[in-house]
Amino acid sequence: GESVGLHLPTLSVQEGDNSIINCAYSNSASDYFIWYKQESGKGPQFIIDIRSNMDKRQGQRVTVLLNKTVKHLSLQIAATQPGDSAVYFCAENPYSGAGSYQLTFGKGTKLSVIP
Amino acid sequence: ETGVTQSPTHLIKTRGQQVTLRCSSQSGHNTVSWYQQALGQGPQFIFQYYREEENGRGNFPPRFSGLQFPNYSSELNVNALELDDSALYLCASSARRRSSGESTDTQYFGPGTRLTVL
Repeated sequence: GESVGLHLPTLSVQEGDNSIINCAYSNSASDYFIWYKQESGKGPQFIIDIRSNMDKRQGQRVTVLLNKTVKHLSLQIAATQPGDSAVYFCAENPYSGAGSYQLTFGKGTKLSVIP
Repeated sequence: ETGVTQSPTHLIKTRGQQVTLRCSSQSGHNTVSWYQQALGQGPQFIFQYYREEENGRGNFPPRFSGLQFPNYSSELNVNALELDDSALYLCASSARRRSSGESTDTQYFGPGTRLTVL
């Protein structure tokens, strides 16, 4: 079964507001986490990643927070824009130190930005 | 764009037929992973190839097989197609490194091949 899941399947936000997408994971051995954005008809696009030795990482308009105590991951998007409308997946990779292994994805959260 | 390419973009087959999907990895990447994404679901790991050998496999039957070539490109073959094989098939490339330190495991996805089985 899936070890990565999302709390909210859909999220609607007003343009300019901040968005927060949450994700729970169950594999305590996971030490590498990635957020992907998938637009309709396209493959997943890498947004940001974080390793388990960190609890926060920032990119351009995006921040990922990792809480290993409760096995929770979140993606924050600042000043959400219409182009951010997509399905967002979190994925975990339990073997990042030894090489690239499988990613386990959740079902995804659909983000809709209201102009 | 990731530099990962897949062909064909769309494919229609009938039940029982066989299909081959192709993937070219991003320059500098030596590992290719294949995923199946059913409509409305997250991608499911099929298998991964590193140095032309299978390096991990998900919960898929043996009729799903693959190859990796010396130039790191890859093929996914599915025999005896079933209706439930209809999905978006995604290829992702990454750069696996031998060092014990942090490695670049980020997997970059191609646009996918949409397979429809009738």
